[in-house]
Amino acid sequence: GEDVEQSLFLSVREGDSSVINCTYTDSSSTYLYWYKQEPGAGLQLLTYIFSNMDMKQDQRLTVLLNKKDKHLSLRIADTQTGDSAIYFCAESKDTGRRALTFGSGTRLQVQP
Amino acid sequence: ETGVTQSPTHLIKTRGQQVTLRCSSQSGHNTVSWYQQALGQGPQFIFQYYREEENGRGNFPPRFSGLQFPNYSSELNVNALELDDSALYLCASGISTDTQYFGPGTRLTVL
Repeated sequence: GEDVEQSLFLSVREGDSSVINCTYTDSSSTYLYWYKQEPGAGLQLLTYIFSNMDMKQDQRLTVLLNKKDKHLSLRIADTQTGDSAIYFCAESKDTGRRALTFGSGTRLQVQP
Repeated sequence: ETGVTQSPTHLIKTRGQQVTLRCSSQSGHNTVSWYQQALGQGPQFIFQYYREEENGRGNFPPRFSGLQFPNYSSELNVNALELDDSALYLCASGISTDTQYFGPGTRLTVL
């Protein structure tokens, strides 16, 4: 199976909270990331969390990590139309090789 | 802005040709990675260079090769292009940390 899995699509109304979920299989994953990709653009790093943390908050973004279940989530508070994009979860291992393994991405659609 | 630029923005080639894609990183970024993103998929790791030496490779054939230069620029070369090589190619650079900053990508179309 895939190393990193995400649901394909999420639709929310402007002002609501969005929660994007991700599961990963490799327990040796040390760093977990969330990237945002807008149409025709590259990847923008939103936030990342070390595997020894449970939660990280950065303004409207909250990352929760359940290491036991290998589950990562990204919560976007007060979602805006500008948040419409594809969100990728990624993991890397602390092996000196910083290769990122990405999920297939979750398309977030924010309706006015 | 990540300070990582890529050229060209778009490129059209025919099957069997060779292509060179370029990436320019921020000063001091001694690590550069290349990724292939097929339509509707997440990026797939091709390889990484650290201080001009290959430092890891994903599941890509040898016709995918790279170079990293002392001036923080790098190249991805693909020989004998196949139709399935059509994708967005992304480079990412950093300073030996786990934070990699991505460029905007080069969209390659192979006909």
